[in-house]
Amino acid sequence: DGGITQSPKYLFRKEGQNVTLSCEQNLNHDAMYWYRQDPGQGLRLIYYSQIVNDFQKGDIAEGYSVSREKKESFPLTVTSAQKNPTAFYLCASSRGAGGTQYFGPGTRLLVL
Amino acid sequence: QKEVEQNSGPLSVPEGAIASLNCTYSDRGSQSFFWYRQYSGKSPELIMFIYSNGDKEDGRFTAQLNKASQYVSLLIRDSQPSDSATYLCAVSKGVGYGGATNKLIFGTGTLLAVQP
Repeated sequence: DGGITQSPKYLFRKEGQNVTLSCEQNLNHDAMYWYRQDPGQGLRLIYYSQIVNDFQKGDIAEGYSVSREKKESFPLTVTSAQKNPTAFYLCASSRGAGGTQYFGPGTRLLVL
Repeated sequence: QKEVEQNSGPLSVPEGAIASLNCTYSDRGSQSFFWYRQYSGKSPELIMFIYSNGDKEDGRFTAQLNKASQYVSLLIRDSQPSDSATYLCAVSKGVGYGGATNKLIFGTGTLLAVQP
């Protein structure tokens, strides 16, 4: 059953803590993306990766880091430098770097 | 001016009616246009994409693109209560090496409510 999985569904972060959101896809897609969605706002691009071992900053990369060691996986770390991390985080992938993007189910991050 | 603009709604239509959702964009060089549906608390799911001027139909959905007016719309025929959701318009912009990667610029979405 092909698709994009994200875990956990909900994540709670304490002040000063780094947390990592998982994104895995078995669609054999080359490109992967991380977006953030806040209430009343459109999705905003955090990071994207066109190929393994390569990634680029999006519009709001400050306070976030990523890695792309495997084609299937693109984890996002929300660092303590991100002062307003509460949001709905969405991972997406596309067949090629210019292809149609499909989204995972999302992770909702809340701050304790 | 926002890069992609949508009326936030809510747009309320009776069951069985045609729902018309509109989107304007600012970058005249945009090439690809997408409509996603997002139910409350869920992730966006792709409904349609359109690249060329004119209409593209898929079942009850029709996407319309007018590049001269920088306008893209989504029509939903025979609207059902299950169509009630937020509809996100997205426009692609080339980024990265040689502009080969598509970055999607999203509007804030239009909330559609289909009344039984």
